[in-house]
Amino acid sequence: GAVVSQHPSRVICKSGTSVKIECRSLDFQATTMFWYRQFPKQSLMLMATSNEGSKATYEQGVEKDKFLINHASLTLSTLTVTSAHPEDSSFYICSARGGLAGASYEQYFGPGTRLTVT
Amino acid sequence: GNSVTQMEGPVTLSEEAFLTINCTYTATGYPSLFWYVQYPGEGLQLLLKATKADDKGSNKGFEATYRKETTSFHLEKGSVQVSDSAVYFCALSGNNAGNMLTFGGGTRLMVKP
Repeated sequence: GAVVSQHPSRVICKSGTSVKIECRSLDFQATTMFWYRQFPKQSLMLMATSNEGSKATYEQGVEKDKFLINHASLTLSTLTVTSAHPEDSSFYICSARGGLAGASYEQYFGPGTRLTVT
Repeated sequence: GNSVTQMEGPVTLSEEAFLTINCTYTATGYPSLFWYVQYPGEGLQLLLKATKADDKGSNKGFEATYRKETTSFHLEKGSVQVSDSAVYFCALSGNNAGNMLTFGGGTRLMVKP
């Protein structure tokens, strides 16, 4: 149980275009989803936290107008990278957690999406 | 704020060697502690966890003990295999409203046959 999927696993896009990444919890309801960014050989950097039905909370330094997050249902969150540039190339990982905010429920991670902007 | 510090890699070992990856943390209150493993090109998988002082998490031959007195959660394995080659992340989850994870920088382990 507790499987999280991401789609696509890899995407190459041209500079200036937008890319949408999906994160789905397959066998549980995810009240909270997290989006991380990972640069090569580095740790995960939390970009934003989203709770179902409400606006995402972005970490300091993350542009909310560039990285649009939607968490419209309990099993799906999407990250849209708008007007992508080569510096947005990275590995994007989502995680999902069930239960109420503040509960000590475990986060389950997706397999990641590698974005390359040419 | 919360922070996690782990030893820098890469750590290179021969098969069947003993592994230790150090992890120390700074946090207020009583955090939960985790080790995650990331295989090449994949997302993170939870390896083990401990939720209170003196708890020992274990899985697949790996183990780590929550030491509050030294604020540490070192990862150990008695005999590593080539298949253990991966990046290992130590993390903590505080008692804040979001229970967000704070990750260490990751340690790459390379096991040679």
